[in-house]
Amino acid sequence: GDSVTQMEGPVTLSEEAFLTINCTYTATGYPSLFWYVQYPGEGLQLLLKATKADDKGSNKGFEATYRKETTSFHLEKGSVQVSDSAVYFCALSDPAGGSYIPTFGRGTSLIVHP
Amino acid sequence: DAGVIQSPRHEVTEMGQEVTLRCKPISGHDYLFWYRQTMMRGLELLIYFNNNVPIDDSGMPEDRFSAKMPNASFSTLKIQPSEPRDSAVYFCASSLSGTGEFNSPLHFGNGTRLTVT
Repeated sequence: GDSVTQMEGPVTLSEEAFLTINCTYTATGYPSLFWYVQYPGEGLQLLLKATKADDKGSNKGFEATYRKETTSFHLEKGSVQVSDSAVYFCALSDPAGGSYIPTFGRGTSLIVHP
Repeated sequence: DAGVIQSPRHEVTEMGQEVTLRCKPISGHDYLFWYRQTMMRGLELLIYFNNNVPIDDSGMPEDRFSAKMPNASFSTLKIQPSEPRDSAVYFCASSLSGTGEFNSPLHFGNGTRLTVT
């Protein structure tokens, strides 16, 4: 079945540091890929998405590129802020392949210090 | 757009009591999901509905859990009787079906934090 693997957290960075959170996936079909963010006390919310190979999703300074050849969708940001402290979830869904239920990774906690 | 609305935000109850969690999805969305989140297990899918019909409830932990969706704008998750191990944050999410570039993300509510003592 489909699966998503994220790097273990927590990731601890100083403000303005470069961020990478790795995400790889396995899927039988051609999925769409998502990054969600969960701030303390809130539900998950979509951060960015990509629906086909080589697409780059971007939002709020975060970027991720859909790499079919390496089955990866790594999240990056050039300069993190304290307000980026949250839990980040990589996910996929493949409705065209008959799997509409999103598959989530375990989440990676990001802590940014001033 | 008001987003997905869940109530209550917090629920504290004693073991053995019945608990009912409520969810109002985004208008027009045809999928509704119930998730549970704990530190130990992360995010778990409990059940999901399509056009108000339960499609897969294989994630429901046991018979003490039940979910209904009587209409397109309302769903409930009930635990009876509740146990301390049910303590978690329960999320409702909704989405609109579509493929490719129309593949809709999930829209989550802010969750209900349940504590069973």
